[in-house]
Amino acid sequence: GAGVSQSPSNKVTEKGKDVELRCDPISGHTALYWYRQRLGQGLEFLIYFQGNSAPDKSGLPSDRFSAERTGESVSTLTIQRTQQEDSAVYLCASKTSGGMNNEQFFGPGTRLTVL
Amino acid sequence: SQQGEEDPQALSIQEGENATMNCSYKTSINNLQWYRQNSGRGLVHLILIRSNEREKHSGRLRVTLDTSKKSSSLLITASRAADTASYFCATDSHQAGTALIFGKGTTLSVSS
Repeated sequence: GAGVSQSPSNKVTEKGKDVELRCDPISGHTALYWYRQRLGQGLEFLIYFQGNSAPDKSGLPSDRFSAERTGESVSTLTIQRTQQEDSAVYLCASKTSGGMNNEQFFGPGTRLTVL
Repeated sequence: SQQGEEDPQALSIQEGENATMNCSYKTSINNLQWYRQNSGRGLVHLILIRSNEREKHSGRLRVTLDTSKKSSSLLITASRAADTASYFCATDSHQAGTALIFGKGTTLSVSS
């Protein structure tokens, strides 16, 4: 594939509903990251997957947030019982493992609006 | 938590002028990267400078790193309207695989 893809590109939901966001990383990239970006802010780290290791969930803001990844492919980020403060752009990034180069390749993001 | 802090928060210049953005960070790093973001969507990697490097060039970009001051600068020379975007610095730690820690970014506007 050409790059990291994310779907949907935009999601509008009502407060209290669950949403699922999808990320397709670059083929062969073993590491996958989810970030959240609120309007006018920098990126907040949410969760990191590396191969078959246990994910680093240290950035998840609450237990309403969870993410899964199947092997070294697709990842889904789920937000349960959405709140208005969850409105943000959710960005996914992938990279190769090993080496000193930590460049991450980002998808276009999913803009989530919680009404 | 935010590690990098860019300044200025916003910068407006004319085409042809140079743009300088600064970034400060708090903890020791492996490397520092600069990313560009158009219209609040996906980020594009611009340049990476390692902790043992002091200066790096890529086209019209020049990045410096001062680890003693925990700061970096990004210079865009001969700016163009197409350079209008938000610019973020991002740092990692010495732990392999650690997520990047981003600053809040500098919004650059280049008018023609």
